[in-house]
Amino acid sequence: EIVLTQSPGTLSLSPGERATLSCRASQSVSSSYLAWYQQKPGQAPRLLIYGASSRATGIPDRFSGSESGTDFTLTISRLEPEDFAVYYCQQYHTSPPTFGQGTKVEIK
Amino acid sequence: QVQLQESGPGLVKPSETLSLTCSVSGGSISSYYWNWIRQPAGKGLEWIGRIYSSGKSNYNPSLRSRVSMSVDTSRNQFSLKLNSVTAADTAVYYCAREGRVGYYGSESYYNFDYWGQGALVTVSS
Repeated sequence: EIVLTQSPGTLSLSPGERATLSCRASQSVSSSYLAWYQQKPGQAPRLLIYGASSRATGIPDRFSGSESGTDFTLTISRLEPEDFAVYYCQQYHTSPPTFGQGTKVEIK
Repeated sequence: QVQLQESGPGLVKPSETLSLTCSVSGGSISSYYWNWIRQPAGKGLEWIGRIYSSGKSNYNPSLRSRVSMSVDTSRNQFSLKLNSVTAADTAVYYCAREGRVGYYGSESYYNFDYWGQGALVTVSS
């Protein structure tokens, strides 16, 4: 199965700052099959980005996704208070679908 | 707006069978894949498997020997059974919809656009 490694484990930033989260795949993943989710404590994950760079319905444009080879990036241009959460990448290129271990974005 | 709601026992004894149902409202269960995903406390997400509205299913190889899923289109529900549970199966169990309509085979997958709120299942005697 494809292993997704997210870095860093924790990102400590202040509101208004830019967040850059990384997700590296153990083997090739088509950009069409990479998603990002946000999860807040006690809540289910919420789809943010699919197809590596397409925003899901209702997701603000401060969230963006990009790809470079087997590396994928989620960028939050200016952190809002509600953006502090855990973020997961997920590949659905190959069965079984797998998730990264998550990056926690915490308030500095 | 599609909504999903998990239901089932919150406590299961070791070696017994975990059973959960997901009720779908605000949309039809037809023509979509429906998934189960779990998350142990403080850990990441693990895909358990999925079922299409026709009843075709795919399971994670790591759990395949213990998992079965079913769908009841008349009730807009689908279900999960996981047998021979151990403490390692203690987790929050989510149901989720794949966000692409239609049957696209057993080898293709899509992202998860709607999720239930999750159901905590504890395995303990």
